[in-house]
Amino acid sequence: DIVMTQGALPNPVPSGESASITCQSSKSLLHSNGKTYLNWYLQRPGQSPQLLIYWMSTRASGVSDRFSGSGSGTDFTLKISSVEAEDVGVYYCQQFLEYPRTFGGGTKLELK
Amino acid sequence: VQLVESGGGLVQPGKSLKLSCSASGFTFSSYGMHWIRQAPGKGLDWVAYISSSSGTVYADAVKGRFTISRDNAKNTLYLQLNSLKSEDTAIYYCAREGDWGQGVMVTVSS
Repeated sequence: DIVMTQGALPNPVPSGESASITCQSSKSLLHSNGKTYLNWYLQRPGQSPQLLIYWMSTRASGVSDRFSGSGSGTDFTLKISSVEAEDVGVYYCQQFLEYPRTFGGGTKLELK
Repeated sequence: VQLVESGGGLVQPGKSLKLSCSASGFTFSSYGMHWIRQAPGKGLDWVAYISSSSGTVYADAVKGRFTISRDNAKNTLYLQLNSLKSEDTAIYYCAREGDWGQGVMVTVSS
């Protein structure tokens, strides 16, 4: 199975500052078709997860352009510019290259 | 897109439960669907997938105990949970890739 490992944030993050969340996969998620099979989700308190980014760097419909995804085949970053109150929650990376689909352990964002 | 799970509850270890996920707002028969779970206070754990042609894949932890199925005429996804264990206690979400339902709680306890 592909293991997904997420880094922690230096919480709490001051409002208006930027925050970067890292994720590492045990196997390259870069497919021969040139696409990288990585999603980012945000789970706000008491809610189900919301898709933010797919194909490593494509924002999902309706997602603020304050969110951006980048990376290589095994190392990924979700950047949130100018953190706001609505960004609070737990962020998860997920690989969808192969089954079983696996998630990172989550990274909690708290606001100062 | 709307996904609404139902069928959760409190069940004793070793017993069974069947979850349903009613789908609307898209052509259900054209999409593969997932079940994903989240134990209380824990992270996300992928459970099973069924393709539009009803091919299935399971996580090792549930293989042989859980069965994913679909009824395209009813726009409904199912998860049959057998031989339940305390570690199956979780919120169960159905999902169509980026779209998730609100989840349904399953508690396995005597």
